[in-house]
Amino acid sequence: DQQVKQNSPSLSVQEGRISILNCDYTNSMFDYFLWYKKYPAEGPTFLISISSIKDKNEDGRFTVFLNKSAKHLSLHIVPSQPGDSAVYFCAAKSTGTASKLTFGTGTRLQVTL
Amino acid sequence: EPEVTQTPSHQVTQMGQEVILRCVPISNHLYFYWYRQILGQKVEFLVSFYNNEISEKSEIFDDQFSVERPDGSNFTLKIRSTKLEDSAMYFCASRRLVNVNEQFFGPGTRLTVL
Repeated sequence: DQQVKQNSPSLSVQEGRISILNCDYTNSMFDYFLWYKKYPAEGPTFLISISSIKDKNEDGRFTVFLNKSAKHLSLHIVPSQPGDSAVYFCAAKSTGTASKLTFGTGTRLQVTL
Repeated sequence: EPEVTQTPSHQVTQMGQEVILRCVPISNHLYFYWYRQILGQKVEFLVSFYNNEISEKSEIFDDQFSVERPDGSNFTLKIRSTKLEDSAMYFCASRRLVNVNEQFFGPGTRLTVL
């Protein structure tokens, strides 16, 4: 049951460049999307979110884009920094639920010097 | 900055034993969750809890699992008779209000069932 998919298991980007992490979903009932960052042996840390009524949300170096017709969202990190190296999870919430989150499998981002 | 805390960080138990995982959510949050992540797999929802009762649970959350908020601060997950396949990282999360969707996660408890 892969309602949220992150098809790239890993991504390597040079410091200072843009990192683009992608996420696709299949459930039309999702109304809110979140990105989490996770370091080894730690819990997921909330990064940025977007409601389904918007197509873009920006917070500092992080921007999330939502394309509802394509059921696709992406996280842009500009400029990328070595401290951004982590696993990034896309998560989605359905309407009418107690806000349970459905997670993707994650993309490991490595920012190189 | 307030954060979710979890104890213990690592729990080793024998198959068939009961374990209790503890969480202290962020103090003004009203919604509480347990998720788990089996090694190499995605984070999976187990249960949500609001107003002293379960509001939603997944098919994973069978009769072997229970949750409780025994006092004003702790939120616990009990597994009555652990199985090998219960070995995973268990994450507690909390959320502030009904119209706020962001959930904040604790550092996790690594449960190893031998």
